[in-house]
Amino acid sequence: QAVVTQEPSLTVSPGGTVTLTCGSSTGAVTSNHYTYWFQQKPGQAPRTLIYDTSNKRPWTPARFSGSLLGDKAALTLSGAQPEDEAVYYCFLSYSDARWMFGGGTRLTVL
Amino acid sequence: EVQLVESGGGFVQPGGSLRLSCTASGFTFSSCNMNWVRQAPGQGLEWLSYISESGSPTFYADSVKGRFTISRDNAKNSLFLEMNSLTVEDTAVYYCARGEGSSWFRDWGQGTLVSVSS
Repeated sequence: QAVVTQEPSLTVSPGGTVTLTCGSSTGAVTSNHYTYWFQQKPGQAPRTLIYDTSNKRPWTPARFSGSLLGDKAALTLSGAQPEDEAVYYCFLSYSDARWMFGGGTRLTVL
Repeated sequence: EVQLVESGGGFVQPGGSLRLSCTASGFTFSSCNMNWVRQAPGQGLEWLSYISESGSPTFYADSVKGRFTISRDNAKNSLFLEMNSLTVEDTAVYYCARGEGSSWFRDWGQGTLVSVSS
């Protein structure tokens, strides 16, 4: 059973830049994992920010970007705003139809 | 406006069954693949099941395979999750989410709470 790994928590200063990563216990994350990134604020449903590694939804703020970084997928936030404080989840698709979320990264803007 | 509204949640005893529904509006439901995702209290997201636009294929997480069944009624713009042999570990908020084309998650519902307890 694969495990999808994320940093449990990160802190970024307002206006600063932070990179969240998403790794796989089975090896390098590639474009074939079709990585998704979701944002969830307290008491709300998740919201999709990124799909297929780097594609944005119409509502995704321009300051968010997705990429592959080394052997992981990455979500970079450039110019953090207070409203970006949330839990961020990545999601990986494996070839045997086993799809998995990471444990989430709690991002604090402080 | 795209809307996904889950319903059917509630209290159930261990070993019991429940059927969740997700009613869609504001888009062509029959053109969208659908997923169920759950979130236990204070925990992260867990993907449960996928169904294609036509109803086949379907995929399941190991944790629910053989106990949960995903289905859809395109004429009624509705998605379902039949849940059997429920345990306390199934207590969670259950979300439906729609995809489009080769993309699996676009819009999410607000969720429905399932509580399994004796």
